[in-house]
Amino acid sequence: KNEVEQSPQNLTAQEGEFITINCSYSVGISALHWLQQHPGGGIVSLFMLSSGKKKHGRLIATINIQEKHSSLHITASHPRDSAVYICAVRGGSQGNLIFGKGTKLSVKP
Amino acid sequence: NAGVTQTPKFRILKIGQSMTLQCTQDMNHNYMYWYRQDPGMGLKLIYYSVGAGITDKGEVPNGYNVSRSTTEDFPLRLELAAPSQTSVYFCASSYSGQGWYEQYFGPGTRLTVT
Repeated sequence: KNEVEQSPQNLTAQEGEFITINCSYSVGISALHWLQQHPGGGIVSLFMLSSGKKKHGRLIATINIQEKHSSLHITASHPRDSAVYICAVRGGSQGNLIFGKGTKLSVKP
Repeated sequence: NAGVTQTPKFRILKIGQSMTLQCTQDMNHNYMYWYRQDPGMGLKLIYYSVGAGITDKGEVPNGYNVSRSTTEDFPLRLELAAPSQTSVYFCASSYSGQGWYEQYFGPGTRLTVT
C-alpha cells in the first residue's frame, strides 16, 4: 500500500464546476504539500499546510490530521486549471517529500 | 533569481553510456534533492544532500551517483545507463529539511535509454 494515496486518478470537469481532489496518507507528517504539474512538466508548489485550511484565489486546501486526510478544492474551474495535481507529505528527517501518484484534471470549455 | 535550473532538458542515451545531469540553484538553499518520475507513478527520491560535502541515498539510488562540492550545484551521474533509467528527473531544493520550508523544483530532464 502506498504511503500517500490520491483519488480520483483522473478527473474531467466542465468549466465552472467545483472540483475536489482527495489525499490520504499513512505516515506521521510535519507538513502536507499540494503541487501542480502542467503539461510542460514543471512542478510548482500550491500549498503547504499542517492544520486547518488555506485559500489562494480559487484554490482551497484543507487537512484533517486526526483522519490523515487532505482535500484540494477548485472553485469555478477553468480550462487553464487542467494539470496534474500532486499531494506530497514531508515526514522524514531528510526533508524529502513522499509523493502521491497525482490526479490528472482536465477542464473542458 | 533563476531558481533551480537543470540541463539538459532532453537526452537520449544508448545502453551502457554515461552522463551527468546538471542542477544548480541560486537561492543559497542547504537541502537539495534528486527525484525521478516514472509514468503513472509518484516521484521517488534518488539522492539528497543537506549541504556541501554531504550526500545520502534516497529510496532508489542504484545506478546513480551524486556529489555536492558547492552549495549551488548538485549533479547526478548515471553510469552504465540501462532502459530502467528511462524517466523524467527533477532536481529540487529547500532552505531546510525541517518544518515549514517549501521545495522548489527545476524544470526536469527527460531521459530515454535505448
